[in-house]
Amino acid sequence: GQSLEQPSEVTAVEGAIVQINCTYQTSGFYGLSWYQQHDGGAPTFLSYNALDGLEETGRFSSFLSRSDSYGYLLLQELQMKDSASYFCAVWDRKLIWGLGTSLAVNP
Amino acid sequence: DAGVIQSPRHEVTEMGQEVTLRCKPISGHNSLFWYRQTMMRGLELLIYFNNNVPIDDSGMPEDRFSAKMPNASFSTLKIQPSEPRDSAVYFCASSLGVENQPQHFGDGTRLSIL
Repeated sequence: GQSLEQPSEVTAVEGAIVQINCTYQTSGFYGLSWYQQHDGGAPTFLSYNALDGLEETGRFSSFLSRSDSYGYLLLQELQMKDSASYFCAVWDRKLIWGLGTSLAVNP
Repeated sequence: DAGVIQSPRHEVTEMGQEVTLRCKPISGHNSLFWYRQTMMRGLELLIYFNNNVPIDDSGMPEDRFSAKMPNASFSTLKIQPSEPRDSAVYFCASSLGVENQPQHFGDGTRLSIL
């Protein structure tokens, strides 16, 4: 079957660094995406990795290892506004979504 | 540029009634996706269209659900008859292309079936 696994909850403090892992098992693979969703809001696109390695966009970075079927989202210099749910998603004929990781950033 | 526009934002109706959700994708985007989100099941893809043609509707729960895209700027998701278990947030998203393209989501329709 197709599945993506990510931790359900992560807690961190302002200014810290947090890593949200995602492992996937899909019949095909055409890239790993990350989305952010604040409570009551809509998912918004953060990043995409098609090839192995690290992609950096400001305070957020995303990493992919296709041989390990693994990726992560790295959030640096955490701010209170980063408190949200983060979803990894893999394109395999359609976008397959993880269940999301709820990140709580505390003062 | 305007983002994806969904209507209504909130809908409360009684079981058995017909519900129609509407979506206007971003101009120029040729792919459109309908999702349902609940606490229990997370974000589920119901159906997606490419160039107004349904490509994958394997996520549509049952025959009570139907979706149409009569033109590039409008899509509907209809539930008839509605049931309490259909209560969820329904999102519409659009993208330029299909594979691996960022999906842009509307604000969602919060549907409550009593």
